[in-house]
Amino acid sequence: DQQVKQNSPSLSVQEGRISILNCDYTNSMFDYFLWYKKYPAEGPTFLISISSIKDKNEDGRFTVFLNKSAKHLSLHIVPSQPGDSAVYFCAATRVGNTPLVFGKGTRLSVIA
Amino acid sequence: DAGITQSPRHKVTETGTPVTLRCHQTENHRYMYWYRQDPGHGLRLIHYSYGVKDTDKGEVSDGYSVSRSKTEDFLLTLESATSSQTSVYFCAISEVRGGSPLHFGNGTRLTVT
Repeated sequence: DQQVKQNSPSLSVQEGRISILNCDYTNSMFDYFLWYKKYPAEGPTFLISISSIKDKNEDGRFTVFLNKSAKHLSLHIVPSQPGDSAVYFCAATRVGNTPLVFGKGTRLSVIA
Repeated sequence: DAGITQSPRHKVTETGTPVTLRCHQTENHRYMYWYRQDPGHGLRLIHYSYGVKDTDKGEVSDGYSVSRSKTEDFLLTLESATSSQTSVYFCAISEVRGGSPLHFGNGTRLTVT
């Protein structure tokens, strides 16, 4: 049973526009959520996180929104740049308990 | 870059042979993890360690074993490699269990022929 779902395998966005990547989770015990970015032939790199006590966290061009009642989070990238083209993984965990559980990833292509 | 080194970076092996992948960290983090990445599956946890000689299974542990005799080294062994174990393997480390980001190595691409 997949606990973290990224239902869009791919997304194309024009440079300068907003990219919105979505993630759903099923385990209501999860209380810490992260986004990772992965370029080919490299390991995933941590991008941004959010605790369940918040509904928004912002870091420069990246904002993560959390809707606990819907068990849904999203990553907004504004403005999108060609260098943002990568695979983005959503991950979730319960603090102090489980290792990270990852979604299958969404490939973002930012077109110049 | 977190100090994580995976070796080898690439390996081709034959079905039925044993294979050991190594992860070495210089951060002195307590927790270490092995994930595999496959198309259509994302990142799946194989095994993890919460201290020297303390390990636990992840969701795809069958066919794999691990060992951690020193804080800095976490070994993943395929006792008898199969074609289904062709994958990219990532090691990761963290300071705490849950609640902090994992930092990943650059991966080992393993091909089992």
